[in-house]
Amino acid sequence: AQSVTQLGSHVSVSEGALVLLRCNYSSSVPPYLFWYVQYPNQGLQLLLKYTTGATLVKGINGFEAEFKKSETSFHLTKPSAHMSDAAEYFCAVSVSGGSNYKLTFGKGTLLTVNP
Amino acid sequence: DAGVTQSPTHLIKTRGQHVTLRCSPISGHKSVSWYQQVLGQGPQFIFQYYEKEERGRGNFPDRFSARQFPNYSSELNVNALLLGDSALYLCASSLQGVNTEAFFGQGTRLTVV
Repeated sequence: AQSVTQLGSHVSVSEGALVLLRCNYSSSVPPYLFWYVQYPNQGLQLLLKYTTGATLVKGINGFEAEFKKSETSFHLTKPSAHMSDAAEYFCAVSVSGGSNYKLTFGKGTLLTVNP
Repeated sequence: DAGVTQSPTHLIKTRGQHVTLRCSPISGHKSVSWYQQVLGQGPQFIFQYYEKEERGRGNFPDRFSARQFPNYSSELNVNALLLGDSALYLCASSLQGVNTEAFFGQGTRLTVV
């Protein structure tokens, strides 16, 4: 079974500062990893995903994440925060091949951006 | 292009009642998944259907059921509603499994009183 731990339920940064949202996963098979963003009263939007290949993944809105197998991590970063980045962010894991029918989500990290 | 559409967007039900939530996937997508998101938590997997067959089921009681129709739309049914069933119910569609990118709808906010 796979699981996801997001460190920090709430992260607050100043506009223009680095954004770092932490995600660690557990999976008995090679994982597929995802970051989703959720704005208030909205569904989830995919920011980026790692399946195979390059471990540094670039996504939308200037976000990127690096898959580190040795650390079982998939942290999300953005060099310079914008007010519009304020939202809840979810890390998710799925298994590669076979029963790739579900996403297992972390509890989420609420990002606040201060002017 | 229409995204994933869910109906209704909000509804209020009384304990013990039954509810049906509906989802229309993106055109061409054959897989629909359902998730429950309780306030302050991440989404929890309920069901996945692919080509009208159940392919996965999460750890939810038998009060929860679903089906997928020939046009790939889907319904989630919940019987004997409990207060704890109050949540945002999200539908996601994808070409096959979720690794082919799952697109989420806006969700249905269910309140049980």
